[in-house]
Amino acid sequence: DTAVSQTPKYLVTQMGNDKSIKCEQNLGHDTMYWYKQDSKKFLKIMFSYNNKELIINETVPNRFSPKSPDKAHLNLHINSLELGDSAVYFCASSQGGPNTEAFFGQGTRLTVV
Amino acid sequence: SQQGEEDPQALSIQEGENATMNCSYKTSINNLQWYRQNSGRGLVHLILIRSNEREKHSGRLRVTLDTSKKSSSLLITASRAADTASYFCVPYNQGGKLIFGQGTELSVKP
Repeated sequence: DTAVSQTPKYLVTQMGNDKSIKCEQNLGHDTMYWYKQDSKKFLKIMFSYNNKELIINETVPNRFSPKSPDKAHLNLHINSLELGDSAVYFCASSQGGPNTEAFFGQGTRLTVV
Repeated sequence: SQQGEEDPQALSIQEGENATMNCSYKTSINNLQWYRQNSGRGLVHLILIRSNEREKHSGRLRVTLDTSKKSSSLLITASRAADTASYFCVPYNQGGKLIFGQGTELSVKP
C-alpha cells in the first residue's frame, strides 16, 4: 500500500485555468505538508497542516489554497494558473511535526502552457 | 528555521567506491535528517540523527554529526548504480520547519 499518494502524477494545463492536486496518507500521521520543487531542485515548503489546522503558510500567492477535509487528506487548489507555477509539487506527512521523519508522495509534475 | 548546505554539489564515482557527502548548518539543532531523491521520484527518508548522537548506521549508510562544527557527513560504502540520486541534509531545530537545500547530486557509474 502506498503510504502517501498524490493524484494526478502529471498535469498539463493552460494559463488561467484552475486545478487541484489531491493527497492522501494512510499512515495515521497528524501533520501534512505541501512542497514545491523548482527546476533547480530547491524544495520549498508551502503549507503545513496539523490535525486539519493550518500551522505553516509560507509566502505563497493566495491563488494557492490548501484544503484539509480530514487529517488523512490535504488537497492543493490553484486558481488562475501562471507559467511560473510550473514545478513538481510534493505532498508529505509526519507524525508529531517536523521533528520526525517525513514521508513523501511521488510528486505531481505541473506544466502550465 | 535553517537549511543545510550540502557539499559537494555534484559527485561522480565508480561502482564499488565509497561516497562521502558533507553538510553544514548555522544554528543549534534538535536533529538532522538525510533524504534521498531519485530522478523524477519523491524523497525517501534515510536517517535521522539526534543532536546528542555522534554517529548512526543503517545498512551501507553511515552518518556522523559534529555539533561543535555544525556539520554532518553521509558515507555510502560500496556504492551501486542504484545509489545514483540527489541527497539532502535537513537540520531541524524546535519550532522550525524542514527546509531543504539544493542537495548533492551523486552519480555512480557501473
